[in-house]
Amino acid sequence: DAGITQSPRHKVTETGTPVTLRCHQTENHRYMYWYRQDPGHGLRLIHYSYGVKDTDKGEVSDGYSVSRSKTEDFLLTLESATSSQTSVYFCAISESADEQPQHFGDGTRLSIL
Amino acid sequence: QKEVEQNSGPLSVPEGAIASLNCTYSDRGSQSFFWYRQYSGKSPELIMFIYSNGDKEDGRFTAQLNKASQYVSLLIRDSQPSDSATYLCAVIGWTGTYKYIFGTGTRLKVLA
Repeated sequence: DAGITQSPRHKVTETGTPVTLRCHQTENHRYMYWYRQDPGHGLRLIHYSYGVKDTDKGEVSDGYSVSRSKTEDFLLTLESATSSQTSVYFCAISESADEQPQHFGDGTRLSIL
Repeated sequence: QKEVEQNSGPLSVPEGAIASLNCTYSDRGSQSFFWYRQYSGKSPELIMFIYSNGDKEDGRFTAQLNKASQYVSLLIRDSQPSDSATYLCAVIGWTGTYKYIFGTGTRLKVLA
């Protein structure tokens, strides 16, 4: 299995609080991705990174920011969490963007009350 | 039109039968195609990838790609109750940058 660790695995927090999710990989892959998965919407890309300090927005980036200061770590931050951000968040990694598959971490279940 | 379309199901098949899962895509220039299995409450797991027209077999799984008709299929032979899951199709397309596009998945139920 691809070495991807997401933390925390579960989190419950209140509206308006900041939340940071961490994705750590041991595969030295260049590309890292954050998705959210909600019933009826499938997997939706939030942000992705194509190298250290190189990031770009996905289709649902509003309300989220990311940072990648090291190859192995990709952080997703909700600056002021809202109930609409309650979801399951998956991190994925890949060696290349053009033909290699993405491999997923175990996910973080985030509930915002 | 969605970029990657799958029938949401559920697709119910009896144990031991062949399950056929289909996916169509809109970007004719797409070159890479993937199938993932996702059990309830778990993360997507890559089970097959295919890049060329034709069939690719791996154990009980066969991926079929037809670029002219823009569809990719996954066949599961000798289906088992443990195959019951949601199957996601993913396609890499180009929109000025490479884009990994997922379908919303087909839920498969294998009946014992």
